Amino acid sequence: GQQLNQSPQSMFIQEGEDVSMNCTSSSIFNTWLWYKQEPGEGPVLLIALYKAGELTSNGRLTAQFGITRKDSFLNISASIPSDVGIYFCAGQGAGGTSYGKLTFGQGTILTVHP
Amino acid sequence: DGGITQSPKYLFRKEGQNVTLSCEQNLNHDAMYWYRQDPGQGLRLIYYSQIVNDFQKGDIAEGYSVSREKKESFPLTVTSAQKNPTAFYLCASQGRHLGGYTFGSGTRLTVV
Repeated sequence: GQQLNQSPQSMFIQEGEDVSMNCTSSSIFNTWLWYKQEPGEGPVLLIALYKAGELTSNGRLTAQFGITRKDSFLNISASIPSDVGIYFCAGQGAGGTSYGKLTFGQGTILTVHP
Repeated sequence: DGGITQSPKYLFRKEGQNVTLSCEQNLNHDAMYWYRQDPGQGLRLIYYSQIVNDFQKGDIAEGYSVSREKKESFPLTVTSAQKNPTAFYLCASQGRHLGGYTFGSGTRLTVV
């Protein structure tokens, strides 16, 4: 099945550093979402983006819906140890048989050293 | 509080046995999904259902079966035909107005 191109695959950073990750697709999406998964748990929604060009913040997290509707990025500022986890991007299709179903990126594994 | 519950959290299966993973939601969501996740990997879609009594195969349906007899429930059976079933299984639901999924906390299945 289709997957989004999410990068980087993994990041090892020092506490206090800023983090940036992104997703690209060959298809247009109506919605972009960013999830965080902690070890042994299910993913939890961090940010949802519904309009091209939209920039949304949630605390130290900022995400943007690309104007081409084919990409999105997530920034984390001033990282802390509890930011550790896997971050997934997801896009929601514009219609047809994929209507409603999310397409996920491969995930970015984030490790934060104290 | 509304939510989505997966049980059990940990499950051990002997080779050749079928096992069923439970997924129940009280969010009144129409669509439900099953994903498989291998260590350090992304999410792979097994089956999904957008309405009661109907379901569709995902990308890796072989060796799995599902049913959707009730809106609240979407159990996944891992059959003996699944040759490498050891993985983390995630269930998710999605409301009528679309938007993101709500995920359960997962079931870790190990073949012993």
